[in-house]
Amino acid sequence: QSVLTQTPSVSGTPGQRVSISCSGTASNIGDHTVHWFQQLPGRAPQLLVYVDDQRPAGVSDRFSGSKSGTSASLAISGLQSADEADYYCATWDAKLDGWVFGGGTKLTVL
Amino acid sequence: QIYLVQSASEMRKPGASVTVSCKVFGYLFTNYGVTWVRQAPGRGLEWMGWISAKNDDSKYAQKFQGRVSLTTDTSTRTAYMELRSLTSDDTAVYFCAAGAMAYCGPSCLAPSFDNWGQGTMVAVSS
Repeated sequence: QSVLTQTPSVSGTPGQRVSISCSGTASNIGDHTVHWFQQLPGRAPQLLVYVDDQRPAGVSDRFSGSKSGTSASLAISGLQSADEADYYCATWDAKLDGWVFGGGTKLTVL
Repeated sequence: QIYLVQSASEMRKPGASVTVSCKVFGYLFTNYGVTWVRQAPGRGLEWMGWISAKNDDSKYAQKFQGRVSLTTDTSTRTAYMELRSLTSDDTAVYFCAAGAMAYCGPSCLAPSFDNWGQGTMVAVSS
């Protein structure tokens, strides 16, 4: 049972826009910055969004992050087959005094 | 270009210990911190702890307190994660991630997750 709640799976067709949600509480998302990671099959995770809505250099602007209250979202526009991966949110939890991750969302491009 | 190279896969028996290394290339090692994350087969990501390469400040996940040790060797630009008293539940891929210390909220300063190693598989079985 993960501290942050993510929908286990989401799907879309090429070119479509999809959104992945991450729900937490006041002690984690409500008071701390959120990161998003993409993990391609058999690969290490890669930082996709940091500090709620910032993209590292080299990350496509098709990926965008947002946060409101105790929830965060990752939107992917112009869906491509290469986007098929697992996506994880993460934030600091003050009660646990450590980083916590969502359970992950598997994105399937139909 | 910054990249991290981890040590090879390991097999251990229950009760044993394992040390995974993470060598950092491409930036001033002592300016950054290293975070360790693991992933059991078919499961999600789990944070284990982080260590600053500048001053060896560290923080561990409550779950691993007393069983894990994070260290750095600045002369070889390498971070180490030692996990003791292994059980089959510790079978997982272990990742290191490196980045600058960054603000993450009230009373929260931790290494960012900018760059990741390739992962090291640790299998625990009798």
